[in-house]
Amino acid sequence: AQRVTQPEKLLSVFKGAPVELKCNYSYSGSPELFWYVQYSRQRLQLLLRHISRESIKGFTADLNKGETSFHLKKPFAQEEDSAMYYCALTTGSYIPTFGRGTSLIVHP
Amino acid sequence: SQTIHQWPATLVQPVGSPLSLECTVEGTSNPNLYWYRQAAGRGLQLLFYSVGIGQISSEVPQNLSASRPQDRQFILSSKKLLLSDSGFYLCAWSQLAGYEQYFGPGTRLTVT
Repeated sequence: AQRVTQPEKLLSVFKGAPVELKCNYSYSGSPELFWYVQYSRQRLQLLLRHISRESIKGFTADLNKGETSFHLKKPFAQEEDSAMYYCALTTGSYIPTFGRGTSLIVHP
Repeated sequence: SQTIHQWPATLVQPVGSPLSLECTVEGTSNPNLYWYRQAAGRGLQLLFYSVGIGQISSEVPQNLSASRPQDRQFILSSKKLLLSDSGFYLCAWSQLAGYEQYFGPGTRLTVT
């Protein structure tokens, strides 16, 4: 069965510092990987997906199949980045798998 | 554009009372629909999903049930609530299996 692991429950950084939210997965096939974000008092929403290879709000994530990782990175954190971040994996089935989430706090 | 609605936004119910949470999607047809429970530190727990009217799959056996009476309507129910049913319930839809999901605003349920 597939699994998504986000090892950090909480990540605390200062504004302007680099940030990396870790995500590791286990799946024997070719997964689709996503990062979702939930800002305070807002809906959980898609941040980015690995197939798009895009940068959203300065965040990027690269799928590393060798290390089975999909870490989310941003070179300079902003206070408005403070949120809950979830890594998610989908396969050809209807059942997505979410990590437990990492709470990012960016201090001024 | 597509939108997803959930109601009520908050609900306080006594133990043993019934429950009905509703989710509707607009602007798309034949979506895959999902119910999750979100708990701090425990992520998103998938409760039910549906790929069509009347088709419900349960991921976690518990005190809850789901129904899909119409293409874009998904209902989460319970006949008798337990204290442990308290939580934040999210409805989501996706167009195809394996695609990204779109989430509703959620319902905060408190069972007293």
